[in-house]
Amino acid sequence: AQTVTQSQPEMSVQEAETVTLSCTYDTSESNYYLFWYKQPPSRQMILVIRQEAYKQQNATENRFSVNFQKAAKSFSLKISDSQLGDTAMYFCAFMKHDGGSQGNLIFGKGTKLSVKP
Amino acid sequence: EAGVTQSPTHLIKTRGQQATLRCSPISGHTSVYWYQQALGLGLQFLLWYDEGEERNRGNFPPRFSGRQFPNYSSELNVNALELEDSALYLCASSLDRGGSNQPQHFGDGTRLSIL
Repeated sequence: AQTVTQSQPEMSVQEAETVTLSCTYDTSESNYYLFWYKQPPSRQMILVIRQEAYKQQNATENRFSVNFQKAAKSFSLKISDSQLGDTAMYFCAFMKHDGGSQGNLIFGKGTKLSVKP
Repeated sequence: EAGVTQSPTHLIKTRGQQATLRCSPISGHTSVYWYQQALGLGLQFLLWYDEGEERNRGNFPPRFSGRQFPNYSSELNVNALELEDSALYLCASSLDRGGSNQPQHFGDGTRLSIL
């Protein structure tokens, strides 16, 4: 069974600074997807970034980038130039790439990020 | 483009009652997923529907059930409600079957409170 671990329950960062959120996972699969979702206090879960395990290049989306270390089973999220709107719960998630036979995301427990002015 | 919509926003029930939660996927999305976000337990996968069929089920008792309608909207039914069913129930949809090639997009959730 796959598991996702986020070891930092809470983090804070000053506005405009950079912060890195950690995520590790355990799987015997060789092909899979990894995701970072954010859930602001307004509740809606929003996809931040996605990484395909077979791609060595780290995914980036504007101020958000990942450090994907497949051998170490590590998938950290870096937020550059933090903004007040980045305040949210961040979830790391895993999905097997098995032709869609299972469909479910496996989530970590989340990291609560607070961006301070 | 309208996102995933869920209703009601908040639902209050008592133990033993039944609850029905509704979800409308993004237009064109055929797969619908249900997740439970309970305090202290994180997000847990409940059910996945695609093309009207239940495709996968998480580790939940049979009193959690649902269905998907021909227009791809979905209902989650929880029978014989227990206090521990109190949680935020999130619905997600995806363009492709399984949501791996196309990511899952989430609604705002239904907060179910059991008194």
